[in-house]
Amino acid sequence: GDSVTQMEGPVTLSEEAFLTINCTYTATGYPSLFWYVQYPGEGLQLLLKATKADDKGSNKGFEATYRKETTSFHLEKGSVQVSDSAVYFCALPAGGTSYGKLTFGQGTILTVHP
Amino acid sequence: GAGVSQTPSNKVTEKGKYVELRCDPISGHTALYWYRQSLGQGPEFLIYFQGTGAADDSGLPNDRFFAVRPEGSVSTLKIQRTERGDSAVYLCASSWTGTGESPLHFGNGTRLTVT
Repeated sequence: GDSVTQMEGPVTLSEEAFLTINCTYTATGYPSLFWYVQYPGEGLQLLLKATKADDKGSNKGFEATYRKETTSFHLEKGSVQVSDSAVYFCALPAGGTSYGKLTFGQGTILTVHP
Repeated sequence: GAGVSQTPSNKVTEKGKYVELRCDPISGHTALYWYRQSLGQGPEFLIYFQGTGAADDSGLPNDRFFAVRPEGSVSTLKIQRTERGDSAVYLCASSWTGTGESPLHFGNGTRLTVT
């Protein structure tokens, strides 16, 4: 079945460091891909998405490119801030569904120190 | 505007008891989802409502779990004869439509602890 694998965490960085959180997936076809973020004390929210191969999703300085050759959707940010400290989840639609039934990765905890 | 509201935020119950978890979605959102998140894991899908009907309940783990959305807005997740393995954070999400293009808006969850 469809699955998502995220890099092992947690990740600890200093402010202004470069961030990469790896995500690879297994799926039938070419589903949309998502990154969700959960800030402390808040609910999960969509960070960015890409709907087809080679698309780049971007938001709040974060980027991720849909790479079908490597079945990856790695999240990157050039200069992280303390306010980026959160848990990040990679996700895709489960079983080729067209609604919000998502399969999530296990999450990566990011802590950014001043 | 108001986001997805879940009550209670925490629930502690004894093994074998019945519990109800409530979700108030964003006004106007037709699609509503329940997910379950265990410690250190990503959310796992339980059930999807489109309007009042359960369009996909394939994620409910067994017949002790049941959910309703009688008027197409508020939803209640019901768990009978709770077991310690039911302990988790139960998340509710809503979206404008049921399509994949409509992002999910999650509540803060209900942390259920079964002792």
